[in-house]
Amino acid sequence: LAKTTQPISMDSYEGQEVNITCSHNNIATNDYITWYQQFPSQGPRFIIQGYKTKVTNEVASLFIPADRKSSTLSLPRVSLSDTAVYYCLVGDSGGLAGFQKLVFGTGTRLLVSP
Amino acid sequence: NAGVMQNPRHLVRRRGQEARLRCSPMKGHSHVYWYRQLPEEGLKFMVYLQKENIIDESGMPKERFSAEFPKEGPSILRIQQVVRGDSAAYFCASSLGTSWDEQYFGPGTRLTVT
Repeated sequence: LAKTTQPISMDSYEGQEVNITCSHNNIATNDYITWYQQFPSQGPRFIIQGYKTKVTNEVASLFIPADRKSSTLSLPRVSLSDTAVYYCLVGDSGGLAGFQKLVFGTGTRLLVSP
Repeated sequence: NAGVMQNPRHLVRRRGQEARLRCSPMKGHSHVYWYRQLPEEGLKFMVYLQKENIIDESGMPKERFSAEFPKEGPSILRIQQVVRGDSAAYFCASSLGTSWDEQYFGPGTRLTVT
């Protein structure tokens, strides 16, 4: 079972910042938080991963509070092409425990309008 | 460097027929994963293979489904005697290591059982 809870859908407009929050109350000490993006008719694509505080890459930022029971994916200045489903996953990421299967929930469907 | 290749992209089978889905991992990747996605749902893990070995098949139905990743050639997901409930998108991912941020997904095969 997925260990995360996300909003089912979100709407935004081009140029706005979008923040998608994910709840993971039972996150374990060794768990990382990982986000994937999936466009229609395509396989998911890795966006960002973090353990605590803040992580930023060329695509997004990930904010993780001290208790790690939630996290927020931030997409700056979204465009129409950011319309997709965004999945939040938590788990050991295959590090200490070896292989860990990805467990996807239903994700958040983001719709960006002109 | 070509990405993960899957073929066919679309496959139509009548009930009772066999479906063979192929996955060629990225060059140099020796880890292959198969996932199934039903409409409006997240991906569900099926099986994890390394060359000539099945590492984890906990997500595979016990009957009619099998997977292999031979020393030479693509990974094959085989579904015997297909039923309508097998209609779904089947995604393959490959990785160099076992961490989540290293899984690269293919475009998927959409199986329709009539």
